[in-house]
Amino acid sequence: SQTIHQWPATLVQPVGSPLSLECTVEGTSNPNLYWYRQAAGRGLQLLFYSVGIGQISSEVPQNLSASRPQDRQFILSSKKLLLSDSGFYLCAFTGTSSYEQYFGPGTRLTVT
Amino acid sequence: QKEVEQDPGPLSVPEGAIVSLNCTYSNSAFQYFMWYRQYSRKGPELLMYTYSSGNKEDGRFTAQVDKSSKYISLFIRDSQPSDSATYLCATPYGNKLVFGAGTILRVKS
Repeated sequence: SQTIHQWPATLVQPVGSPLSLECTVEGTSNPNLYWYRQAAGRGLQLLFYSVGIGQISSEVPQNLSASRPQDRQFILSSKKLLLSDSGFYLCAFTGTSSYEQYFGPGTRLTVT
Repeated sequence: QKEVEQDPGPLSVPEGAIVSLNCTYSNSAFQYFMWYRQYSRKGPELLMYTYSSGNKEDGRFTAQVDKSSKYISLFIRDSQPSDSATYLCATPYGNKLVFGAGTILRVKS
């Protein structure tokens, strides 16, 4: 069966510190992968998506970046966090259908 | 104008009520629609999907699409406190999904 993992579950980081969030998918090959951010009480904001290794599309200009070093691994990074980077970060992948996305458990990031 | 509009609520109902959650969309090319349920502090989970017009039923849940009015609905029968969550509609657009803002549903026992 297909599963998606994200870690860490929660993270508290000071302003100006670096960030690395990891997402891995099991049970499928060559999935599309997505990073979303959800601010408190707000909708889902698509940050990046990837249709293959090394292929990254950025949806929102900001101080975040994404990389896909392996087929089923997606990493979200920042060199220097801002207060506005706080939020709930979700990774998702497409299943056997090309439409439905399946979400991971999320990482709650608080920048202090 | 957003491509998918959804009333954020909150919608508060008593246990056992029939709940109607709705979205409207602007692009007539959209043909495939999904509903996600998101519990507090959790990732969204796919609840139902439906293609084109008509109804699709799964247990207490019914998804309905009216293409003529560009209206998507999710009905929940015999609502339970465990149905309290945020419900998001979504539709594919290229490699992405276009999401509504989500409706907060509270079912009171």
